[in-house]
Amino acid sequence: DTEVTQTPKHLVMGMTNKKSLKCEQHMGHRAMYWYKQKAKKPPELMFVYSYEKLSINESVPSRFSPECPNSSLLNLHLHALQPEDSALYLCASSQDRGQETQYFGPGTRLLVL
Amino acid sequence: DAKTTQPPSMDCAEGRAANLPCNHSTISGNEYVYWYRQIHSQGPQYIIHGLKNNETNEMASLIITEDRKSSTLILPHATLRDTAVYYCIVSHSPLDNQGGKLIFGQGTELSVKP
Repeated sequence: DTEVTQTPKHLVMGMTNKKSLKCEQHMGHRAMYWYKQKAKKPPELMFVYSYEKLSINESVPSRFSPECPNSSLLNLHLHALQPEDSALYLCASSQDRGQETQYFGPGTRLLVL
Repeated sequence: DAKTTQPPSMDCAEGRAANLPCNHSTISGNEYVYWYRQIHSQGPQYIIHGLKNNETNEMASLIITEDRKSSTLILPHATLRDTAVYYCIVSHSPLDNQGGKLIFGQGTELSVKP
């Protein structure tokens, strides 16, 4: 099983809402990643988790809060987002941090109104 | 910033080889070259990677020049399903504290035409 799953596929939220994105993998990978991709732009790294600990935060605003409850799950909690945060949010995993063969999920398409 | 330069777009006839170039003139000795692609509305997909030797797998071949300043991804018999944005990425060494970062550049939009 080389699949990374993400839920929900689509999400619409208001600027005062709190929502969460979920990512799951069952490949035994110990590194997991969140990326943000705006329309017609390349993906941009947001966070890297290694062995369930946050190892890289690319200066992401605090309205995005990642969480790694166990080695298979990665969440991204969203609060007080802005319309410019509308984007495709991609999750990925790899065997270990530093292994750049990353497996990506299909993404969650987020619209902030 | 991305450490690679790619043409923004290319066309290829179905059944022909697609040769996608990438310049990475500032690559350092322990950095790998990775290729990913992203088909419309999907997540990126790993294709192949290499350090200095040419590499081949079931999807593609990777040719790296001897000075390592450029590389070419070859899809030997392109099909319509190969239409995608192809990203060439130079990875941070796993040994430094930025290991695990994929810095995507703008990529090459490959259109395979019947």
